[in-house]
Amino acid sequence: DIQMTQSPSSVSASVGDRVTITCRASQTISSFLAWYQQKPGEAPKLLIYSASNLQSGVPSRFSGSGSGTDFTLTINSLQPEDFAIYYCQQAKSFPLAFGQGTKVEIK
Amino acid sequence: QLQLQESGPGLVKPSETLSLTCTVSGGSMGSSDYYWGWIRQPPGKGLEWIGIMHYTGDSYYNPSLRSRVTISVDTTKKHFSLELSSVTATDTAVYYCARFGSSSGCFDPWGQGTLVSVSS
Repeated sequence: DIQMTQSPSSVSASVGDRVTITCRASQTISSFLAWYQQKPGEAPKLLIYSASNLQSGVPSRFSGSGSGTDFTLTINSLQPEDFAIYYCQQAKSFPLAFGQGTKVEIK
Repeated sequence: QLQLQESGPGLVKPSETLSLTCTVSGGSMGSSDYYWGWIRQPPGKGLEWIGIMHYTGDSYYNPSLRSRVTISVDTTKKHFSLELSSVTATDTAVYYCARFGSSSGCFDPWGQGTLVSVSS
């Protein structure tokens, strides 16, 4: 089974900052990676699919990169509504797996 | 636009079967491009994939739950269902239904989620 490890587990940042979250797969997954944002009390929302494709309606300050085993989600110019938990998910093979999440907190 | 809504009991007794339904509106369930799936999230914890099913019956399940899980799809009623048998307190979680893209490999959209507690 493929394991997904995110780092850091949490990050404190200010409005306007650039935030980078990393997701590492235990084996190569090509570009079969998605990123989700989850706010308290809400369902996860798809941000990025296939490692770098921005989901329709998602602000362009979000971007994804990487392939193989190492992936990055970058949030440029952090906005108040971006404080949330972010999860990566691999789709290379079953069982599907999510990372443990990264909480973006207000500094 | 496609919308999903979970429904079912919020409280299940230990050893019994958890049953949830996800009603789909605003789109068809009969596309070859999508599966229909379930994900859960214990309180304060991360996301755990449960399983997905295509309208043709093709399915994939999390091995850790495989022996206790059944997912079914009814395109005529525009809903799909989850059954999880022999539940214990560790099955207490928010259960989400979602559409899974077979080419994108991701879940979108999601239902709002429903909390199911296992307690006597």
